[in-house]
Amino acid sequence: AQKITQTQPGMFVQEKEAVTLDCTYDTSDQSYGLFWYKQPSSGEMIFLIYQGSYDEQNATEGRYSLNFQKARKSANLVISASQLGDSAMYFCAMRGTRGGSNYKLTFGKGTLLTVNP
Amino acid sequence: EAQVTQNPRYLITVTGKKLTVTCSQNMNHEYMSWYRQDPGLGLRQIYYSMNVEVTDKGDVPEGYKVSRKEKRNFPLILESPSPNQTSLYFCASSPGTSAQPQHFGDGTRLSIL
Repeated sequence: AQKITQTQPGMFVQEKEAVTLDCTYDTSDQSYGLFWYKQPSSGEMIFLIYQGSYDEQNATEGRYSLNFQKARKSANLVISASQLGDSAMYFCAMRGTRGGSNYKLTFGKGTLLTVNP
Repeated sequence: EAQVTQNPRYLITVTGKKLTVTCSQNMNHEYMSWYRQDPGLGLRQIYYSMNVEVTDKGDVPEGYKVSRKEKRNFPLILESPSPNQTSLYFCASSPGTSAQPQHFGDGTRLSIL
């Protein structure tokens, strides 16, 4: 079974500063994907960034980067130069590659990020 | 524009009145899935489909039905809705052969009175 742990229920950051949101995972699969999603107060689920388990380089997408440490089973999200619009709930998630039920996304409980002006 | 479209976005209805939430994707994805999101319980998978005519139960399938007659559409059917099905529902899709991201619809807020 897969498990995602996000230990920070809430985080505060000043506008224009960087922030790291923590995520650890547990799986017996060798091949898997790790993801971060953003859910603003309006409710939609927005895909931010993806890291494959065999990718050697950390993923980056604009102001988002994923700090992937496979041995430690961690996949932290780093947001650089925070903006007010980054205030939202952030979910870490993972899925396997073996098909069937292994394809479902397993989510953490989320971190509520508040960006202060 | 690549997207997953859910309808309706909001619905208030009464116990026992059958309803369908539609989901359509234009990315030619094989894999589609329904999730529900509840406070304190997070996101849980209801049903998924690996391809046309192939569907299977997720973690919380009771009270729901799905069908996959066409690749692009994956409707969620509540035959006899009950108040415990009040939730935020998401449809998602992805290519089916690797751990690629699932792309979500904007969600359907369903209230069963």
